[in-house]
Amino acid sequence: KNQVEQSPQSLIILEGKNCTLQCNYTVSPFSNLRWYKQDTGRGPVSLTIMTFSENTKSNGRYTATLDADTKQSSLHITASQLSDSASYICVVSAKKSSGDKLTFGTGTRLAVRP
Amino acid sequence: GAVVSQHPSWVICKSGTSVKIECRSLDFQATTMFWYRQFPKQSLMLMATSNEGSKATYEQGVEKDKFLINHASLTLSTLTVTSAHPEDSSFYICSARALAGPYSYEQYFGPGTRLTVT
Repeated sequence: KNQVEQSPQSLIILEGKNCTLQCNYTVSPFSNLRWYKQDTGRGPVSLTIMTFSENTKSNGRYTATLDADTKQSSLHITASQLSDSASYICVVSAKKSSGDKLTFGTGTRLAVRP
Repeated sequence: GAVVSQHPSWVICKSGTSVKIECRSLDFQATTMFWYRQFPKQSLMLMATSNEGSKATYEQGVEKDKFLINHASLTLSTLTVTSAHPEDSSFYICSARALAGPYSYEQYFGPGTRLTVT
């Protein structure tokens, strides 16, 4: 069964600090891994997408890593801002002939305090 | 580009009534649209997949007669919650995917619709 697990479930950090969110998955056959940011009451917004051959990808202060061998990914947020407060969802795609099928993690709820 | 909109953004309805939620791809043709439901502090759960001009495919445990999906055009899909009950209160999110062009094979999410059934 395809699964995506994220840790921690929630996290509180002070503004300006860095943090790292973790994602472990068992999805096969692997197509790609995405990190999304979801503000409360809003739809998910894509931050990064990585395929099997990509180890790291950055989007501003967000840097995602992927270890396809251990099936782990991380999202590192640098110099956090209050606007980073949101849920961060790891989504892994399994390759299907009809189009990729997504498996969602339960998310990490990040709160950035002043 | 790749904007998906939903309408309404929130709706309150009485128990037993039906409510329709629209999902539109604004700048691309979406051959496939997906409907998700999200309960508080939980992740998105896929309800159904709809291909333009075809019947929707529902996930296990989702009642197709209760959640009617229509995908009559390449830019519009609708989800109708029939005979709504308080337990149907949730956040409904759609996503859209094109099979060709610059937005192909990526799912783009709408902003969601908050449904409250009283």
